[in-house]
Parts: sequence; C-alpha cells; structure tokens
Amino acid sequence: QVQLVESGGGVVQPGGSLRLSCAASGFRFSDSDMHWVRQAPGKGLEWVAFIQFGERLKHYTDSVKGRFSISRDNSKNTLYLQVSSLRPDDSAVYYCVKSGWTAPGHHFDYWGHGNLVIVSS
Amino acid sequence: EIVMTQSPATLSVSPGERATLSCRASQSVSSNLAWYQQHPGQPPRLLIYGASTRATGIPARFSGSGSGTEFSLTINSLQSEDFAVYYCQQYDNWPPYTFGQGTKLEIK
Repeated sequence: QVQLVESGGGVVQPGGSLRLSCAASGFRFSDSDMHWVRQAPGKGLEWVAFIQFGERLKHYTDSVKGRFSISRDNSKNTLYLQVSSLRPDDSAVYYCVKSGWTAPGHHFDYWGHGNLVIVSS
Repeated sequence: EIVMTQSPATLSVSPGERATLSCRASQSVSSNLAWYQQHPGQPPRLLIYGASTRATGIPARFSGSGSGTEFSLTINSLQSEDFAVYYCQQYDNWPPYTFGQGTKLEIK
C-alpha cells in the first residue's frame, strides 16, 4: 500500500532553515507527481509546492517563492522540501502528498501523516 | 487565484440523517473539484474528484455534485466516523491549487 513518511521537522528560529524529507513506498515514485501541502495549527489546508515526476517542472505558492525549494531523488524514492528564511507564519504541519492527474490538474490522493515545523525564537 | 468558499462553517446533524455541504468557486472550475475529509490529528483523505467521482474505497453514502462555481457534498445516513472537517479543492486553474476554508460536521 502507499506509504509516505515525512521527517526533518522541528523547532527553528526565525530566519533559519530545515530540510523536510518524505520517504515513499508502495507505488512507482518515479512516475508520480508530488506536492507539499501545509496546515497551520487550527487552520485550513494550503498547497505549498509541486514537482513533476521527472523534476522538469516545479511550482510554488507565492508566499514561499525564493525561500523554499522542492526536489526529489527518484533513485531513493524520496521527496524533499528545503525551507529557508523561515518566518513564524511558516509554522505548520507539512504534508507530503502524492497526486493523481485528472486534466487539467491534480487532486491529492495519498497523504503522509505530516511533519510539524515550528518557527519561534 | 481562484478563491474557494465553503458553507456553512459548522454543520450540526444527527447520526443517521443526511448532511449537505457547499463549496463555491470565485470563477468557473468546470468539474475540476475534489473533496477531502479530515479527522483531528489525521491527514486529509480524498473522497471525491472530478466533482462526483468517488475515490477508491469511499462508501457510496458519499456523493458529490455540481459544476462551474457551485458544488455540494452529500453524506447520507451519517455514521459516527463521518463527523470531521471537510475541504473542497479546485484544480482547474493552477498554480496555485486552492482549498476552501473547511466545514466542520458535528454531531447534533
């Protein structure tokens, strides 16, 4: 079955950096588009970033452009999110998400259990 | 950016009854809409995509309808495990993908 296991979160000071990882199994990772979606405490869902299966195409929500970088290693079945210049409003549970494609876009069919990032001094 | 608006914010319904949740898009998203269910402390789960297609393993009591800017999620014969927060998400015009703010379905 599909499994997405995130790691790398924690408490970081404003301006700091982290690298979130997501180990994927149970499906053909190298053929799958992937995303990061976050949820601030007690709030709704916010899409953060997308990476195409071949890594050729990437997209970000405006608030993280220039600060976050999504990448993947298909040989290790692992998705990454490098988060830098962190701000308190980046505090959230970050979900690794596998998507399904229904033209013209993606729905999110499998979610990891999430990884909490707290930005605080 | 397409803004998704869900109503009501909270819906109180008795077990065994029917619940209808609404989602409105700020512009047409055709049928490119998904619904998710989230229990406290759990990740979201895909229920519906294409506005009306149930995801794998989703019970038939869940149904989605609508197109353009108006959508609804109907849950018939509410079970205890159905009380949760529900989100809609558009994938017609991206990036960004956008979600509604959620509807909390609570036991009456």
